[in-house]
Amino acid sequence: AQTVTQSQPEMSVQEAETVTLSCTYDTSENNYYLFWYKQPPSRQMILVIRQEAYKQQNATENRFSVNFQKAAKSFSLKISDSQLGDTAMYFCAFNLQGAQKLVFGQGTRLTINP
Amino acid sequence: NAGVTQTPKFRVLKTGQSMTLLCAQDMNHEYMYWYRQDPGMGLRLIHYSVGEGTTAKGEVPDGYNVSRLKKQNFLLGLESAAPSQTSVYFCASSYHRLEADTQYFGPGTRLTVL
Repeated sequence: AQTVTQSQPEMSVQEAETVTLSCTYDTSENNYYLFWYKQPPSRQMILVIRQEAYKQQNATENRFSVNFQKAAKSFSLKISDSQLGDTAMYFCAFNLQGAQKLVFGQGTRLTINP
Repeated sequence: NAGVTQTPKFRVLKTGQSMTLLCAQDMNHEYMYWYRQDPGMGLRLIHYSVGEGTTAKGEVPDGYNVSRLKKQNFLLGLESAAPSQTSVYFCASSYHRLEADTQYFGPGTRLTVL
């Protein structure tokens, strides 16, 4: 079975700093997808970024980028120039190709301080 | 375009009562999902559906039933609520593709069973 582990329950940084959230996963499969979701206090789950395992290039969405290390089964999220609105729970998630079932990590609570 | 909506947003039940949570999506997605989120944990899949008239069990299906009579709606039922079912419930939907696609989430329903 696939598992996703987020080893940082909480993190806190100052506004405008860069922060990196860690995620590792375990699978014996070769074709899969990885996601980072953001859950602000409103509880809404919002997709931040997505990475296909077959792509070597790391995904980027504006201030958000990932460091995907397939051999190490690592998928970290970097937030540059952090903003107060980035304060939220962040979940790493894994999906096997064709499985359509997301497996989530436990989440990292990120606080951006003014 | 409302995306994924959930009804109700909050509910309090007594042990043994029944209720139905309604999920609706207007994106013409084939796949729909029900997750539960407990404190300190990521989302866990309860049931899912790959199309109208079909349902399948997820990771934690016991105590729940689902129905997908219309493509746009996915119902989650609790026949006899238990305190262990106190949780936040999320519905999600996605397109059908051979590769995994992004799941879009509703705002969640907070259920308390006394």
